[in-house]
Amino acid sequence: DTAVSQTPKYLVTQMGNDKSIKCEQNLGHDTMYWYKQDSKKFLKIMFSYNNKELIINETVPNRFSPKSPDKAHLNLHINSLELGDSAVYFCASSQGATPTYEQYFGPGTRLTVT
Amino acid sequence: AQTVTQSQPEMSVQEAETVTLSCTYDTSESDYYLFWYKQPPSRQMILVIRQEAYKQQNATENRFSVNFQKAAKSFSLKISDSQLGDAAMYFCAYRSGETSGSRLTFGEGTQLTVNP
Repeated sequence: DTAVSQTPKYLVTQMGNDKSIKCEQNLGHDTMYWYKQDSKKFLKIMFSYNNKELIINETVPNRFSPKSPDKAHLNLHINSLELGDSAVYFCASSQGATPTYEQYFGPGTRLTVT
Repeated sequence: AQTVTQSQPEMSVQEAETVTLSCTYDTSESDYYLFWYKQPPSRQMILVIRQEAYKQQNATENRFSVNFQKAAKSFSLKISDSQLGDAAMYFCAYRSGETSGSRLTFGEGTQLTVNP
């Protein structure tokens, strides 16, 4: 059983396109996250939702918009894709927003913008 | 803002030997958590071990242990009896315990190679 799943795992698209990455967790967790891992493997938080409310919103371009239709899903929509958006995007979830709860990561989505 | 530094971009170890990965962090907080994550070639992020700053005892998980030096702001990971499956990128991470919804701040990572 996959705890945190992401679709698609690989995404190749052209500059200027709009794309979405979906994330679903079946752990019953209240908190979900999006992280970006760049070409140098550096990981950075982008967004976090707790009970469908945005609680972390890092300095990312407005072209990135998270959407949480329910507690089990957190999707990432990216408008007007740029070359610099090429990265691996990880979704994660935890039982709660406090640090006492472990974050479980999805398998990642490798986005390549050409 | 908190920062996490891993000064060893790459490390290698012989199978069955012991290796230590270094991590230092900078914070003015007293309540925080430290983590080591492993990312094998499959790219899945796996939690290896965690340490609460208020605990003086170093965390241990089977062959993995940490040396937590709070005053020095150092948090190293020791892998004993290294196995081929330990080969991966290892990330040290910090999370504030003083605010709900705090973020994980990662170091740059250390690529560990295990030689047979």
